[in-house]
Amino acid sequence: DAKTTQPPSMDCAEGRAANLPCNHSTISGNEYVYWYRQIHSQGPQYIIHGLKNNETNEMASLIITEDRKSSTLILPHATLRDTAVYYCIVRVGGAQKLVFGQGTRLTINP
Amino acid sequence: DAGVIQSPRHEVTEMGQEVTLRCKPISGHNSLFWYRQTMMRGLELLIYFNNNVPIDDSGMPEDRFSAKMPNASFSTLKIQPSEPRDSAVYFCASSRGTIQETQYFGPGTRLLVL
Repeated sequence: DAKTTQPPSMDCAEGRAANLPCNHSTISGNEYVYWYRQIHSQGPQYIIHGLKNNETNEMASLIITEDRKSSTLILPHATLRDTAVYYCIVRVGGAQKLVFGQGTRLTINP
Repeated sequence: DAGVIQSPRHEVTEMGQEVTLRCKPISGHNSLFWYRQTMMRGLELLIYFNNNVPIDDSGMPEDRFSAKMPNASFSTLKIQPSEPRDSAVYFCASSRGTIQETQYFGPGTRLLVL
């Protein structure tokens, strides 16, 4: 699976949009971008995934650049409960394994 | 649905003892995954099953670790003998097993080996 690079930490004010970047410059054509998050002392939670088109669900939006070498997860109106470690994962289509990196520790400040 | 259930939630044991962690996947899910999380190594996949059959155990650290899935609703991860370096949080996850299917994680078992 392609390696991803994320900033180790970010801060965001409550109510503002949180934009979490991920670099995956070696991504292959059949590899999907996944985002999971892990709130303190809990198991990881799926957020969203995409291949090349932008995706949106009730939790977040995923913006993938046209060359697919990077992506951004957007939490449109961050709340204190969004404080967590966010993992960007690149996964081969059809593969079941998830390979977690170190992620970004996002802190939402009141 | 109750989600993925793991037991015990916390386990404290002494070095050399056998430890058994248990997992009940979400009903109807065909794939089950065991992960370990430590500060040093982060979250790493140990083994996963499809339809109760182990598919990839390349992440199992050594022979002291073994995992079984006797039926679709139960799996165990056993460490024998346990060592202090096995101290970690162990997560179980399940999914429907189809392509790109989401993995749902349990609350984890926090293991401390003294």
